[in-house]
Amino acid sequence: AQSVTQPDIHITVSEGASLELRCNYSYGATPYLFWYVQSPGQGLQLLLKYFSGDTLVQGIKGFEAEFKRSQSSFNLRKPSVHWSDAAEYFCAVSPNTNAGKSTFGDGTTLTVKP
Amino acid sequence: GAVVSQHPSWVICKSGTSVKIECRSLDFQATTMFWYRQFPKQSLMLMATSNEGSKATYEQGVEKDKFLINHASLTLSTLTVTSAHPEDSSFYICSARVDRPEAFFGQGTRLTVV
Repeated sequence: AQSVTQPDIHITVSEGASLELRCNYSYGATPYLFWYVQSPGQGLQLLLKYFSGDTLVQGIKGFEAEFKRSQSSFNLRKPSVHWSDAAEYFCAVSPNTNAGKSTFGDGTTLTVKP
Repeated sequence: GAVVSQHPSWVICKSGTSVKIECRSLDFQATTMFWYRQFPKQSLMLMATSNEGSKATYEQGVEKDKFLINHASLTLSTLTVTSAHPEDSSFYICSARVDRPEAFFGQGTRLTVV
């Protein structure tokens, strides 16, 4: 069975500082990988996705993620955080044999200090 | 494109009653839809996979007689929470898949059982 680990439950960064959110997955093959953001009481917004090809993926809102097969990781990064980035971030995987059936990590809460 | 709409966005019902949540793909035909549940400050957990015209496949631990899923057309899946109780209060989110390796999420439905 596939699983996703987000080691950091809560991260606090200063506005303007760089950000990296970690995600590790366990799956027999390379799954499809996603990062979502969720504001309180809201649905999910897709930040970026990886299916194949270039391992550095650009997303919306200035986010990027890098797939590292050797480390089974898909870490999310942003060079300069804005106060509006404060939210819950979820990493998710879905098998390439049943795309769309997603397993989510437990999420990382991002707090941005002024 | 690829818009998924859920209705209602929020609902309050009395304990013991049933409530129906709709998930519609507005601009595409969804071969498969997925239903997730999210408790406060927790991650999304897959409840079931729904294929048009066939019975839903439920994840382990999800009561199929309590959470009735119907996928009568390629654009509509419904989740009915039967005999709802306060512990069923949660955020329910659906997603719909096309013939691409990703699914698109609805905005979620907040269910409160009083």
